[in-house]
Amino acid sequence: GAGVSQSPSNKVTEKGKDVELRCDPISGHTALYWYRQSLGQGLEFLIYFQGNSAPDKSGLPSDRFSAERTGGSVSTLTIQRTQQEDSAVYLCASRSTGGTHNSPLHFGNGTRLTVT
Amino acid sequence: GQSLEQPSEVTAVEGAIVQMNCTYQTSGFYGLSWYQQHDGGAPTFLSYNALDGLEETGRFSSFLSRSDSYGYLLLQELQMKDSASYFCAGGFNNAGNMLTFGGGTRLMVKP
Repeated sequence: GAGVSQSPSNKVTEKGKDVELRCDPISGHTALYWYRQSLGQGLEFLIYFQGNSAPDKSGLPSDRFSAERTGGSVSTLTIQRTQQEDSAVYLCASRSTGGTHNSPLHFGNGTRLTVT
Repeated sequence: GQSLEQPSEVTAVEGAIVQMNCTYQTSGFYGLSWYQQHDGGAPTFLSYNALDGLEETGRFSSFLSRSDSYGYLLLQELQMKDSASYFCAGGFNNAGNMLTFGGGTRLMVKP
């Protein structure tokens, strides 16, 4: 596609439920990132995928959070037993060449998650 | 550690010049990027500095000083549409591919 696509754009869920957020990166981009952004705040790194390498999970805030990337393309971020503090915008970004750290990140429009 | 500090807000008038600063902790630092984010929108890439000095792209310029662990984004001939949040991001681990973002500076341009 023309850009990074995320779905759903909005998700309201009850505390304790599991949610899955999806990211379709730009075709051919080998690197994929998940960030979280609370209202009026900066971007908090969650996880980074590069090709077939093991993902960098150092930013995941708890074991309730997990992510996978199938076939080097689509990624799913899963949050189990959601808590109210999980409410935020979850942003996905992809990059054309993981080994070139000056190539820009292309962000999707995010999924706004609200936990009630 | 990996952290980047930015002032939270700055206000300027249309047509003026504004400078937004970013200081960072140096552990594993590769380079400094800048992103713009309008309310409700996705961050978009503005510029990248790997080396010391000034990079210019139209009305936008970005500067880096590694010795001072400091950079800034300069916007000239401000327009109302420049009102947005501006984030600096440092490339750290994973050969610089792990981007850590600052808290952002919210720029308000007034007529």
